[in-house]
Amino acid sequence: DGGITQSPKYLFRKEGQNVTLSCEQNLNHDAMYWYRQDPGQGLRLIYYSQIVNDFQKGDIAEGYSVSREKKESFPLTVTSAQKNPTAFYLCASSMQANYGYTFGSGTRLTVV
Amino acid sequence: AQRVTQPEKLLSVFKGAPVELKCNYSYSGSPELFWYVQYSRQRLQLLLRHISRESIKGFTADLNKGETSFHLKKPFAQEEDSAMYYCALGRDSSYKLIFGSGTRLLVRP
Repeated sequence: DGGITQSPKYLFRKEGQNVTLSCEQNLNHDAMYWYRQDPGQGLRLIYYSQIVNDFQKGDIAEGYSVSREKKESFPLTVTSAQKNPTAFYLCASSMQANYGYTFGSGTRLTVV
Repeated sequence: AQRVTQPEKLLSVFKGAPVELKCNYSYSGSPELFWYVQYSRQRLQLLLRHISRESIKGFTADLNKGETSFHLKKPFAQEEDSAMYYCALGRDSSYKLIFGSGTRLLVRP
């Protein structure tokens, strides 16, 4: 089955810790994205990558970092510098510009 | 600045009634507009793209560049249409989508 897989589904983090969210796709899509979803605010773009070894900041990149070493994988690290990390994180991929996204099922991160 | 506005947080209709979910955008270039839907306990998925000019699950949306709108319509709502709907804007050849804040559609029996 082709698709995009995010893990873990739920993640708890202590303040001051870095955590990494996994996103893997087997759709052979070039582009991958990370969005943050907060109630009443829709989806906000954190980072995106159009090709391997290249990525760009989105609208709310502060406190986050990414890597794109393989086409299939685009992990997101939420660092301790992120002031309000508790949120639902969505990963997506697309074949090309403006083609429409395929989304993962999301990771809910809670800082305790 | 590019923006997508969905003015209604919640839209509640009875089964069989017409539905219109509003979406307005601000962008001076050539926009690509999308509607995404998230049913309960399911992942966000593409419903339709304006460029495809198709009807999916009875929903249609027409891009009105004069009014900068891309409203989603369905003549007769069904209970299974209850979901969260997001309008999204793509710009020229950019890979990034800008999403609206979403509208929750509740179709009551």
